[in-house]
Amino acid sequence: QQQVKQSPQSLIVQKGGISIINCAYENTAFDYFPWYQQFPGKGPALLIAIRPDVSEKKEGRFTISFNKSAKQFSLHIMDSQPGDSATYFCAATVYGQNFVFGPGTRLSVLP
Amino acid sequence: NAGVTQTPKFQVLKTGQSMTLQCAQDMNHEYMSWYRQDPGMGLRLIHYSVGAGITDQGEVPNGYNVSRSTTEDFPLRLLSAAPSQTSVYFCASSYSGLLAFFGQGTRLTVV
Repeated sequence: QQQVKQSPQSLIVQKGGISIINCAYENTAFDYFPWYQQFPGKGPALLIAIRPDVSEKKEGRFTISFNKSAKQFSLHIMDSQPGDSATYFCAATVYGQNFVFGPGTRLSVLP
Repeated sequence: NAGVTQTPKFQVLKTGQSMTLQCAQDMNHEYMSWYRQDPGMGLRLIHYSVGAGITDQGEVPNGYNVSRSTTEDFPLRLLSAAPSQTSVYFCASSYSGLLAFFGQGTRLTVV
């Protein structure tokens, strides 16, 4: 129940395209769903996050879509750029304590 | 502000040796945690602390020990290193449930 599933494992997108990464969870007690971006040799960095009382959150080119009934959420990167090439992790938590991470998606944006 | 500082950045240990991974933050965050990152498995929680003097186990605590004597410091101790503990270790701190600050990581190899 604590698991967060993430797909795809890797993703290749052309510059200017839309990157979509999907996550699913089982634990309905999760109340906060962040996404992290990680570049090689660096620690993860918080990208964007959503709570289950909203269905969508947008920050610049990054959008989280949240489907509470399906227990799924996704990250959309619009107008993908080569600089977006990184590994993306979704996560979930209850009361901001034990964060559970997905296995990650390696995104490559081709110039 | 330095954020979250981890030392060392790299370490090679022999099986059976012990060592301490250091983590310090200067943001007065109450919540600190340790994760290990292995290929294809995302980040897994080892131990966490919700304040000085309070620690608890995460998903993969065996072989590791922590203490939290001050708000700033949260060291992770490997009691008797094993090759299975070869990994990249990240320390993180957070406020108000937002796990926003990760250190740069410690790459540990146990031979």
